[in-house]
Amino acid sequence: GAGVSQTPSNKVTEKGKYVELRCDPISGHTALYWYRQSLGQGPEFLIYFQGTGAADDSGLPNDRFFAVRPEGSVSTLKIQRTERGDSAVYLCASSPGASGRWEYEQYFGPGTRLTVT
Amino acid sequence: KQEVTQIPAALSVPEGENLVLNCSFTDSAIYNLQWFRQDPGKGLTSLLLIQSSQREQTSGRLNASLDKSSGRSTLYIAASQPGDSATYLCATYSGGGADGLTFGKGTHLIIQP
Repeated sequence: GAGVSQTPSNKVTEKGKYVELRCDPISGHTALYWYRQSLGQGPEFLIYFQGTGAADDSGLPNDRFFAVRPEGSVSTLKIQRTERGDSAVYLCASSPGASGRWEYEQYFGPGTRLTVT
Repeated sequence: KQEVTQIPAALSVPEGENLVLNCSFTDSAIYNLQWFRQDPGKGLTSLLLIQSSQREQTSGRLNASLDKSSGRSTLYIAASQPGDSATYLCATYSGGGADGLTFGKGTHLIIQP
């Protein structure tokens, strides 16, 4: 079946602009995660959704970052007043479970490469 | 706060060799550990998931072990092939208010034909 998809694959924006990054999880997966990966580093956790609610947003770096998942499927990561330091690959992952979610693998999308000029 | 370290950072070996990638973590209170591969410019592909109650998992030429008490995991690749060239990442899941995976920086592996 279809995997996790993310759009756009690349986004170039000017400093100070607003951007939205989209994630389509695997159908039926209730858990959705956003990560950020800088060059030469492993991904860093940003936010976790269980259904429509953000169950853990402790990884969001500041209040310029916000994410929604209004219908419990597609999620959008929103970044306001972008800065050059926001340049990174933004990865989305999904997994099946709520309770006992540690039993399940996380399946990652291809990522969105964000470049802030 | 969990910290995950992977050694070596890079490795280049001739085709056909067996090799071991190492992963260590500071907090042994994990629910699981997952190994991924990442090809250049691509997302992550899950290779193996080891639950905290398990000692090892195998998939084809890959075998991953977990020693939770010592905070270590190894990924063993048998009979390496050029197609195995990629960056290998390990990640732990601790749950309980830390709901994301904590990743190491990865081992960049090159298999020479």
